[in-house]
Amino acid sequence: DAGVIQSPRHEVTEMGQEVTLRCKPISGHNSLFWYRQTMMRGLELLIYFNNNVPIDDSGMPEDRFSAKMPNASFSTLKIQPSEPRDSAVYFCASSLAGVYNSPLHFGNGTRLTVT
Amino acid sequence: GENVEQHPSTLSVQEGDSAVIKCTYSDSASNYFPWYKQELGKGPQLIIDIRSNVGEKKDQRIAVTLNKTAKHFSLHITETQPEDSAVYFCAAILSNDYKLSFGAGTTVTVRA
Repeated sequence: DAGVIQSPRHEVTEMGQEVTLRCKPISGHNSLFWYRQTMMRGLELLIYFNNNVPIDDSGMPEDRFSAKMPNASFSTLKIQPSEPRDSAVYFCASSLAGVYNSPLHFGNGTRLTVT
Repeated sequence: GENVEQHPSTLSVQEGDSAVIKCTYSDSASNYFPWYKQELGKGPQLIIDIRSNVGEKKDQRIAVTLNKTAKHFSLHITETQPEDSAVYFCAAILSNDYKLSFGAGTTVTVRA
C-alpha cells in the first residue's frame, strides 16, 4: 500500500487566501484524523472522522477552518481566510478502527507557510 | 484530560551506546502507550507500543517499559545507529478514546 497520501507537500500563500489541503487515507481504513504540528504546541488533533462522519471537531481552532470527507478515500482541510499564525505542518492520519485497536498511520504532511 | 510529559527534549549519544527516553502521564485510566519516530520531512511512524497489562515489550533493539503505579513509561534503544537519529514521541490513550495525548518529543542525535 502507498500509505496515507497528502497533497501538496508544501504550500506558500498570502494572508487572506484560501488554502485547501488534501488527504487520501489507506484503503479500508475507516478512521481519519487531521493533526497540526508546531514547535510551540506540538501535535494537536484538529478533527476526527469515523466512517466519513465527523465525530469530534473540537480541536478546530476557529471557524476559518473546515474539514470534509465526502467519501472513504478522500478528505480535505480548508482554511479560509488564512492567517500567518496558521503556518504549521498539517498531517492526515488513518487507521482501521480508532487508535486503541489499530495503529495510526500518518502521511508525510503539508508544510503551510502563510505570509 | 490526559497530560503527557516527556524527557529529555534533546539527547545526543555515541553510536553503539544506549538511549533512554522517559514519559509520565497523569490519567491512571490510560492503558495504551505507543511510541512514534519522526524523521525529517516525514510523518510520525509507530515503532512500538505497550498496553497496561504488560510491563515490558521488546522488538529487536528497541524496548518499552511501563510502570503503572508510578504512571511512567520509557523507551530504550540499544546499540544506537545513525539511522536512529530522529524525533521520538510518546503518547497515551484510554481504551475507549480516540484522542492520543502526545509528549513534546525528544530529538535524538546519534554521533558517528
